Amino acid sequence: GAVVSQHPSRVICKSGTSVKIECRSLDFQATTMFWYRQFPKQSLMLMATSNEGSKATYEQGVEKDKFLINHASLTLSTLTVTSAHPEDSSFYICSARGVQGARRAFFGQGTRLTVV
Amino acid sequence: DQQVKQNSPSLSVQEGRISILNCDYTNSMFDYFLWYKKYPAEGPTFLISISSIKDKNEDGRFTVFLNKSAKHLSLHIVPSQPGDSAVYFCAASVAGTASKLTFGTGTRLQVTL
Repeated sequence: GAVVSQHPSRVICKSGTSVKIECRSLDFQATTMFWYRQFPKQSLMLMATSNEGSKATYEQGVEKDKFLINHASLTLSTLTVTSAHPEDSSFYICSARGVQGARRAFFGQGTRLTVV
Repeated sequence: DQQVKQNSPSLSVQEGRISILNCDYTNSMFDYFLWYKKYPAEGPTFLISISSIKDKNEDGRFTVFLNKSAKHLSLHIVPSQPGDSAVYFCAASVAGTASKLTFGTGTRLQVTL
């Protein structure tokens, strides 16, 4: 299957700082990327959908000013958690879809964010 | 509103036996279903999928069954192996939503020796 690389795999930051997480499609061009969040022992919750070159579409309840998403190229999307707080501590996962109309997306390995 | 539900949070199966993981959904607009396997601190790995025009799809040891009238799907793993121990998520998407997936809550499968 296609490869999606997410970096960093884990990060610890202080309250009030911002953290950037990168998601790269290594062997295909990702027209659409998705960002998910998973709390311990819970399901993956979709945060936002981003299409290359356009603004991200956020799910209800997700603060767009807090979770900044940039999809500047067909192989890279970034999620920036701004002014992080301990409650933002979570596991963040990206996925990428290549061909328009493809029904399957490929997932990155996830990023464990801990805000202290 | 949990549109995709996995009512069994955990399942323990002996090696060599069949594992059956269940998933129910409420949104009749879902037309594509997927199963993912996930280890702690890793992203989900795709296992198998099924379109709503089918009722069965098989890939090696993995078979997914879809019962549209009951809004129910199941994943069968046979024979189960210790390496299958992981959390399994079912997911669903609606046509035209660019593969936006709605995930179930997951079932932790433990395959014992």
